[in-house]
Amino acid sequence: DIVLTQSPGTLSLSPGDRATLSCRASQSVSGNTLAWYQQRPGQAPRLLMYDTSSRATGIPDRFRGSGSGTDFTLTISRLEPEDFAVYFCQQCNNSPMCSFGQGTKVEI
Amino acid sequence: VQLVQSGAEVKKPGASVKVSCKASGYSFSGFYIHWVRQAPGQGLEWLGWINPTSGGTLYAHNARARVTMTWDASIGAAYLELTGLIFDDTAIYYCTRKKALFLLTATDVNAFDYWGQGTLVTVSS
Repeated sequence: DIVLTQSPGTLSLSPGDRATLSCRASQSVSGNTLAWYQQRPGQAPRLLMYDTSSRATGIPDRFRGSGSGTDFTLTISRLEPEDFAVYFCQQCNNSPMCSFGQGTKVEI
Repeated sequence: VQLVQSGAEVKKPGASVKVSCKASGYSFSGFYIHWVRQAPGQGLEWLGWINPTSGGTLYAHNARARVTMTWDASIGAAYLELTGLIFDDTAIYYCTRKKALFLLTATDVNAFDYWGQGTLVTVSS
């Protein structure tokens, strides 16, 4: 099974800053079918990005996904107050068993 | 699209719990229902999926001994049953949907695009 490792565990930033979140897979993610989710306190996760770089419906363009193979990055160009949350990467390989990274908390 | 889950449960160790997820607003065929849980203050743990069309299932390795996923086609609802509850099963359980890999087209969203609101299951003596 593919293990996803996210770094850093916590990112302390200010509104307007740029955030760079990393997700590394233990083996290549087939078709670069990696997704990112945002979770605010008390809410269900919300899909941000899929297939590495495709934004989900309604997601602003300050969110950008990149990467391939085993190394993936989520970049938030200018943090808005509502962006302070926990972010998870996720994959479902061809088995298809799925897995999530352990999360990165973006805090003020 | 809506996935509406049943309410919170409190169970004793060793008991079983069954959580429901009522789907609506889309064609069920072609979308698998996945279950994901989140222990307090922890990350997301994938538990497995069910294919509503065939009833076929796939469970995560560490869940398959105690998890059963089912689908009631008459009402469009998925169920997650967890037996032999232990304290570590205390978590919020989410259902979510994802299009089947073999049906994906270039314009489809290949990810968990809609989620239920979550069901808190508390295991307490």
